[in-house]
Amino acid sequence: GDSVTQMEGPVTLSEEAFLTINCTYTATGYPSLFWYVQYPGEGLQLLLKATKADDKGSNKGFEATYRKETTSFHLEKGSVQVSDSAVYFCALSDPWGAQKLVFGQGTRLTINP
Amino acid sequence: ETGVTQTPRHLVMGMTNKKSLKCEQHLGHNAMYWYKQSAKKPLELMFVYSLEERVENNSVPSRFSPECPNSSHLFLHLHTLQPEDSALYLCASSQDKGATDTQYFGPGTRLTVL
Repeated sequence: GDSVTQMEGPVTLSEEAFLTINCTYTATGYPSLFWYVQYPGEGLQLLLKATKADDKGSNKGFEATYRKETTSFHLEKGSVQVSDSAVYFCALSDPWGAQKLVFGQGTRLTINP
Repeated sequence: ETGVTQTPRHLVMGMTNKKSLKCEQHLGHNAMYWYKQSAKKPLELMFVYSLEERVENNSVPSRFSPECPNSSHLFLHLHTLQPEDSALYLCASSQDKGATDTQYFGPGTRLTVL
């Protein structure tokens, strides 16, 4: 079945550091890929998405590129801020599967000033 | 109110109680979802409704009973729960249930079963 694997957290960085959170997937067909973020005490918010190979999603300085050849969708940001501290979830939605979102286990990110 | 709202935000109940979680979306969407978020586990999809019809029941025990009276409201009725059912229950909605449709999440209800 479809699955998403994220790098294990927690991840702790200093402000202005470069961020990468790895995400790889397995899917039956050609899924859409998403990154969601969950700030403390809140629900999940869509951060960015890509719907086909080589698409790049971007938002709030975060980027991720849909790499079909490596089945990856790694999240990157060039210079993180304290306000980026949150839990990040990679997810896929497979139109050839059950058309439901499948989530990774989440990666907790803490940014220190 | 905008987006997706959930009430209550926190709920403590005994194993013999009956309670209900409420979700309301103000986005004009056609699909609604219930998810369970437990510590150290990926989000688990529980139910999917599309145009008020249940289209997915992800092997959820019968002590969880969903209800979707209209496209804006979704309930999760709870009875005779177990302590392992303690979790954050998230509601979401999307325009339709297609693979590219973005899901918008509510803040969740933190449930504790004693």
